[in-house]
Amino acid sequence: EDQVTQSPEALRLQEGESSSLNCSYTVSGLRGLFWYRQDPGKGPEFLFTLYSAGEEKEKERLKATLTKKESFLHITAPKPEDSATYLCAAPGTDSGGYQKVTFGIGTKLQVIP
Amino acid sequence: NAGVTQTPKFQVLKTGQSMTLQCAQDMNHEYMSWYRQDPGMGLRLIHYSVGAGITDQGEVPNGYNVSRSTTEDFPLRLLSAAPSQTSVYFCASRGTVSSPLHFGNGTRLTVT
Repeated sequence: EDQVTQSPEALRLQEGESSSLNCSYTVSGLRGLFWYRQDPGKGPEFLFTLYSAGEEKEKERLKATLTKKESFLHITAPKPEDSATYLCAAPGTDSGGYQKVTFGIGTKLQVIP
Repeated sequence: NAGVTQTPKFQVLKTGQSMTLQCAQDMNHEYMSWYRQDPGMGLRLIHYSVGAGITDQGEVPNGYNVSRSTTEDFPLRLLSAAPSQTSVYFCASRGTVSSPLHFGNGTRLTVT
């Protein structure tokens, strides 16, 4: 069974305090990895796609990296507006050949001024 | 840019009632899907469509029906609402099998 596990479930940081979120996965027919940001009352908003081990993507204070077994979302000098739930998702192929996407539960990040 | 639009934003139903959650996208995406999001669980796939006229079941399809008569619209029908269907429902679309999903802002459904 495909699984995506995120840790920690919740993270509280002081403004400017850098940290990393982890996403580990076991997905058959893995075809890359997605990171999303979700604000309360909103749908997930796409951040990054990573396709191969060693790949890195950056956007403002966020940098996503990928290995063969896990991905990290590094947050450098976060600001209060970075507070959100960050979701990791792994696209794979089910038994019927459909490209399904398995989501983790997410890491709820709170950045305190 | 509208993207994926879901209506209504909130809905309260009594057990046994039926309703349709609406989803429309203006990106000409072939692939559309419905997810539910519950506390402590990741987004779970209910039904999906790979094009107009083609739908299939996802991980948690029981109690839900879908149809896809146009590329733009993908409604989700609750046949006889149950308290276990209390959740937040998200519609998503993508242009190709390897593209990331684009989500709507969800419908929060409460069944009493």
